[in-house]
Amino acid sequence: GAGVSQTPSNKVTEKGKYVELRCDPISGHTALYWYRQSLGQGPEFLIYFQGTGAADDSGLPNDRFFAVRPEGSVSTLKIQRTERGDSAVYLCASSPGGKGGETQYFGPGTRLLVL
Amino acid sequence: GIQVEQSPPDLILQEGANSTLRCNFSDSVNNLQWFHQNPWGQLINLFYIPSGTKQNGRLSATTVATERYSLLYISSSQTTDSGVYFCAVERGNQGGKLIFGQGTELSVKP
Repeated sequence: GAGVSQTPSNKVTEKGKYVELRCDPISGHTALYWYRQSLGQGPEFLIYFQGTGAADDSGLPNDRFFAVRPEGSVSTLKIQRTERGDSAVYLCASSPGGKGGETQYFGPGTRLLVL
Repeated sequence: GIQVEQSPPDLILQEGANSTLRCNFSDSVNNLQWFHQNPWGQLINLFYIPSGTKQNGRLSATTVATERYSLLYISSSQTTDSGVYFCAVERGNQGGKLIFGQGTELSVKP
């Protein structure tokens, strides 16, 4: 596609539920990144993929969070046993090569609200 | 880890005024990007500028890597320039992981 797309755009769930957030990167981009943005803050890194593998998952806050990219294109961020503190905007970005030192292009985000 | 500090945190301008936003970072970087986050939350790329100077219309940016700062200039501001401006950096040994500053919230009044 022309840009990075994310679905759903908004998600409301109840505490304790499981959610999946999807990211479609720019066609042909090797690298895919997930960030989380809380209200009034800058985005914070969660995880990045080089192809199908997670090259750096140091930003995942705990083991309730994990992400996959099985075919090297679409990625899914999965959150188990959601907590109210997980409420944030989840942003996805992609870049052509993933070796660093290149522009990252961001999607519109998924706004997650945990009640 | 690397620290990224942006100033000022907030800025209010009259339409037509010029402004300078600053980004300081605490270590050497191999990527620096400026973004504009519009009121709908979309992060829009403004510049990829690990060093040097670039211009795009009314916007320009300068990064002095040796002194660890970058400046974003907005000239003849318009109400559509309102939003939050973020600086984000990437260290050379950390792949594509971007570290964002806290942002500068700009409000341009008609």
